[in-house]
Amino acid sequence: GQQLNQSPQSMFIQEGEDVSMNCTSSSIFNTWLWYKQDPGEGPVLLIALYKAGELTSNGRLTAQFGTTRKDSFLNISASIPSDVGIYFCAGRRTSGTYKYIFGTGTRLKVLA
Amino acid sequence: GAVVSQHPSWVICKSGTSVKIECRSLDFQATTMFWYRQFPKQSLMLMATSNEGSKATYEQGVEKDKFLINHASLTLSTLTVTSAHPEDSSFYICSARDGASTDTQYFGPGTRLTVL
Repeated sequence: GQQLNQSPQSMFIQEGEDVSMNCTSSSIFNTWLWYKQDPGEGPVLLIALYKAGELTSNGRLTAQFGTTRKDSFLNISASIPSDVGIYFCAGRRTSGTYKYIFGTGTRLKVLA
Repeated sequence: GAVVSQHPSWVICKSGTSVKIECRSLDFQATTMFWYRQFPKQSLMLMATSNEGSKATYEQGVEKDKFLINHASLTLSTLTVTSAHPEDSSFYICSARDGASTDTQYFGPGTRLTVL
């Protein structure tokens, strides 16, 4: 199945640093979702974006819906050890389907 | 709010047996649920879309006779892996669409299936 390109694939950062990751597609999407998945568990919704250019925050997390509608970005400020996990983006096209396409994931490790 | 449960959380079965996995939306009605499969260190791959009261829609390459889906109520969808084989071992995750609010998807905790 199709997947969205997510970058970077993995990253090691020091506690307290800011983190940026992005998700790109060749197709236009009308909704972007960002999830975090811990090992052996289901993904947990972090932020939902519904309009091009939209910037939404959830605590230390901020996500943006790209103006081209083909990308989205997630930033984590002042990272802490519990931020470790895999972050997935998911996009829904404008074709009226309720299906979401998932990104390849960004694996984040935070060094204390 | 927006809680989705899955049962069982893990299951080990012998090759050739069938396994049923339940997905329930606990505090909202879900006309649409989705079933995903996830291999270690990989992303989620959509297997099928489960629609309440109608037949499921399967993604290309997913055998509908192998993975039976039933969405009998607005809060319950089941996935039955029939005649399971070791290659069916995987992490199966369901999600439910909360159409009443913002069309976001909420995931269950997943079911780890191991076929011996």
